[in-house]
Amino acid sequence: DSGVTQTPKHLITATGQRVTLRCSPRSGDLSVYWYQQSLDQGLQFLIHYYNGEERAKGNILERFSAQQFPDLHSELNLSSLELGDSALYFCASSVGPNRGSGYTFGSGTRLTVV
Amino acid sequence: AQSVTQLDSHVSVSEGTPVLLRCNYSSSYSPSLFWYVQHPNKGLQLLLKYTSAATLVKGINGFEAEFKKSETSFHLTKPSAHMSDAAEYFCVVSAGTYGGSQGNLIFGKGTKLSVKP
Repeated sequence: DSGVTQTPKHLITATGQRVTLRCSPRSGDLSVYWYQQSLDQGLQFLIHYYNGEERAKGNILERFSAQQFPDLHSELNLSSLELGDSALYFCASSVGPNRGSGYTFGSGTRLTVV
Repeated sequence: AQSVTQLDSHVSVSEGTPVLLRCNYSSSYSPSLFWYVQHPNKGLQLLLKYTSAATLVKGINGFEAEFKKSETSFHLTKPSAHMSDAAEYFCVVSAGTYGGSQGNLIFGKGTKLSVKP
């Protein structure tokens, strides 16, 4: 157990629907990162929050949004889902916003859009 | 801009023989470099990291990597492979903290390691 908790582990939904993925960071970590892993694109950075504030955006679609709450858990909202959104979504956390420490990853949420 | 290239998409070795997974990087700044491992249906686990201290970095499970600035390489090695090492390995560079996306990681495409008995 890495200490980063992601729920649900699996999600199957239809095109056009909206889903919410949840991440609880490791105790003491203030940064949360979201990544998407797909067969064709590999691992892509989506977004980074630090202590409730958005710090960086990567290849995140406008249909996707995220937030980090006062208790530091984060949610990734995916709307108007398309077949191509099927992927493994990882959350990672770290103590601070800087790059040197490496991140702790959760076990991911596997999203299947049918 | 930062990038990483993993030179082999698949490496196959026999149990007990050495492992070499190759990675080249490109970075405008002094990079932070990492190797992560992903076992089937599992999350990503940090194997080791280089952050401008010693150029030879030792990680978990007997893995190590050497940072070679002149060759812009950060190859992962292990003297003797175990069956449990079969997994996908990702070489990762961190985006710089001066400009660009602060704190995010840029992943290579991954190298799948197979270990034969």
